[in-house]
Order: sequence, then structure tokens, then C-alpha cells
Amino acid sequence: DAGVTQSPTHLIKTRGQQVTLRCSPKSGHDTVSWYQQALGQGPQFIFQYYEEEERQRGNFPDRFSGHQFPNYSSELNVNALLLGDSALYLCASRPGQGFNEQFFGPGTRLTVL
Amino acid sequence: AQKVTQAQTEISVVEKEDVTLDCVYETRDTTYYLFWYKQPPSGELVFLIRRNSFDEQNEISGRYSWNFQKSTSSFNFTITASQVVDSAVYFCALSEADGGSQGNLIFGKGTKLSVKP
Repeated sequence: DAGVTQSPTHLIKTRGQQVTLRCSPKSGHDTVSWYQQALGQGPQFIFQYYEEEERQRGNFPDRFSGHQFPNYSSELNVNALLLGDSALYLCASRPGQGFNEQFFGPGTRLTVL
Repeated sequence: AQKVTQAQTEISVVEKEDVTLDCVYETRDTTYYLFWYKQPPSGELVFLIRRNSFDEQNEISGRYSWNFQKSTSSFNFTITASQVVDSAVYFCALSEADGGSQGNLIFGKGTKLSVKP
């Protein structure tokens, strides 16, 4: 049983570009959340998707958007990249919207030059 | 406002020593959940434990134990007889039920634990 998978592993972009990160949740999980982890910091919640809708959003600008597909996989899009967007982006999945354990993927390391 | 504080940025111990990682949280909710996650150098967060606000029983799992005290808003984590494989960054996290957080996690800044042989 595969856990949460994310692609790509690493990504290098330049300021102003756009990026798309992908996440496949653990089997049986239908809720996907995205977190941003800057170097030396704890993860910060970006947004959560359930039933193909954004259900909640953290304190992130509209440049951050997402999507969830019928198979529960999800994408995170970031437009007009800034140097400060350089971080590890983590995807987490869980069954339903309660307070179950969230399973995290290995993350995508984004570097903005 | 909700907040999780892990005051210890880095801890270094020698193998077989016991070590306690501190976590203090702030919330106005009466119903909430507390978590500990481990992040090894590979980067993937690994779930260790979840507690709800109505269960103050301490828990022991092998070499790991957790002390939850609502009176001091603390949820501390102790590793007994530490091993080199315990070296990682440990995060404490909070999820509020009353505030409509939909189960999303508020993390502390983490404590980096180094266990030397």
C-alpha cells in the first residue's frame, strides 16, 4: 500500500515563473492538505481540499491555488514566484475531515532563484 | 490566538541518555487535539501520537512517553535510553475542533535532537 507520493522531488525556478506540484494521497484517503515548510521552521498550512473543493485556507496570498481531482489527487500551483517561496512543500492526506492522523509525503523542495 | 511553542531549538545528548522535548500550546477552544511528528533528514513527517483535550492520561509506547497537562498547557515528549536513530527534528502540533479548523495542523518550530554514539 503506497503512502502519500509527491512529484517532483526537487524543482528550481526563477522569480516570476509559475510552478505546479503534484500529490497522490494514501489509498482510502479523500482529504488532502498542503503545507509550506521554510528552512528551520515548522510547516505552515496553505489549504485543504475535500470533495474537489477548497475547504479551508491558511494565510497565503492568491498566488497560491490548488485543485483536487476525482481520484483525490491534488495539485498546488504558485504563480509569480518570489524568492521567499523557496521551501519544502508537503502534502498530507487523511480519511474524511476529522482529526485523524495525517500522513505526509516526502515533499517537494522548491528553490526560487 | 492559537500557537504552539517549542522553546528548545536544539538538544544534543549521548546515546542511552533520557531526553524530554517541551511543547506549550495556546488555544481558546475547549476541544482540541495535540500531535507529535518526527522529521528525519529524509524530510517526511512521521506521526508519533495524537491526544484529545479530554484525555489527560499519560501514554507510554516503548521508549517513548508523553505527559499531557492541561493546567500548564503542555504536552511534553520523553525518549528513554535514546538511540542514534532518534536523531531528527520533532514537531508538536495543535488542531482545534471548535474553531472550525477542519483538522488542520498548527505546528511549532520544532526541536532538533542529535543523539551522539
